Amino acid sequence: QITLKESGPTLVKPTQTLTLTCTFSGFSLSTSGVGVGWIRQPPGKALEWLALIYWDDDKRYSPSLKSRLTITKDTSKNQVVLTMTNMDPVDTATYYCAHVAAAGPFDYWGQGTLVTVSS
Amino acid sequence: EIVMTQSPATLSVSPGERATLSCRASQSVSSNLAWYQQKPGQAPRLLIYGASTRATGIPARFSGSGSGTEFTLTISSLQSEDFAVYYCQQYNNWPVTFGQGTKLEIK
Repeated sequence: QITLKESGPTLVKPTQTLTLTCTFSGFSLSTSGVGVGWIRQPPGKALEWLALIYWDDDKRYSPSLKSRLTITKDTSKNQVVLTMTNMDPVDTATYYCAHVAAAGPFDYWGQGTLVTVSS
Repeated sequence: EIVMTQSPATLSVSPGERATLSCRASQSVSSNLAWYQQKPGQAPRLLIYGASTRATGIPARFSGSGSGTEFTLTISSLQSEDFAVYYCQQYNNWPVTFGQGTKLEIK
């Protein structure tokens, strides 16, 4: 079955760079049409899509955050990495990674990881 | 960017009754619309995709309808486990966007 799990720091300081890793199983990022995306959710607020990478290395970014985001994949390790630069307290949120098939919805989600930005 | 607007923000319904949640897109998204359910402390779960197709394992009491800019999620007879927050999401255009959510609470 498909599973995803996010990992990374729980606390970062303002201006630092956040690096999150999504480790998955049950599918391959070399399979045509498959993608992995990142979505975040500030406490008590709505979901916000951040970035997505497809099997063919096509990358998509939220326009409002594009200058701060980089998404990469390591197919051999079954991992997708998201980096976000210049972190600010407003970036405090639970960060999720999720599976996408053939430009569809996010059909499988990780459990999420809470990242707090504070000095 | 397509803006997704959900209404109402909060819906109070008694168990066993029907709940109807709405989602409106600022421009047409065809049928590329999904609904998710999120319970406290949990990740969202895909309920409906393609505006009306139930995801694997989703009970038949959940149904979706609509196309273009107007969409509806209906829960025919509310069970205790259905009280949660529901989000719609369009995946027709980049960037994909979510609605602000509807909280379904027990009346």
